[in-house]
Amino acid sequence: NAGVMQNPRHLVRRRGQEARLRCSPMKGHSHVYWYRQLPEEGLKFMVYLQKENIIDESGMPKERFSAEFPKEGPSILRIQQVVRGDSAAYFCASSPQVRETQYFGPGTRLLVL
Amino acid sequence: GENVEQHPSTLSVQEGDSAVIKCTYSDSASNYFPWYKQELGKGPQLIIDIRSNVGEKKDQRIAVTLNKTAKHFSLHITETQPEDSAVYFCAVSYSGGGADGLTFGKGTHLIIQP
Repeated sequence: NAGVMQNPRHLVRRRGQEARLRCSPMKGHSHVYWYRQLPEEGLKFMVYLQKENIIDESGMPKERFSAEFPKEGPSILRIQQVVRGDSAAYFCASSPQVRETQYFGPGTRLLVL
Repeated sequence: GENVEQHPSTLSVQEGDSAVIKCTYSDSASNYFPWYKQELGKGPQLIIDIRSNVGEKKDQRIAVTLNKTAKHFSLHITETQPEDSAVYFCAVSYSGGGADGLTFGKGTHLIIQP
């Protein structure tokens, strides 16, 4: 059973460009969570999605960030007009039911030049 | 919102000794407490978790204890080995509504000295 998959593993963008991060949950998991980790910091919750629905986006910055989890395909975290402060590791986690154990992917490390 | 404090930030122990990492939380309604291990360049890996109806849970060399009255929980690793070297994060979740994500501590860098 494959674990949570994220791609790309590393992403370099120049200021003002768009970043798209993808997450495929574990098989049988329909709940996806996105977290951001700054250097030497813990993970910060951003958004929780179920298929086709955003359930909780209380940790998502109000501008430039959006997330989706379509009926078919991976969940996408989209950052528009990236700035240097967006440089971080972005992790996706999935769970079989809400508030059950979350299993994390390997992360996408975003570097904004 | 929930606030999680984790101590120490760095812990160095001799191989074979025990390591203890402690976390405190602020929301008494929190009821799920996982611990994750993160190695360099990798994602967090769940190593043990506990729910609020249990005071202690053990899995081989790893144990977690929970004191709901004092709002703190601890990770215990016995007979430490070099492969235990990593960053460990505690986390807290509340299943009564509101934010659905985990709230993490800032991490403990565990160093096992040979």
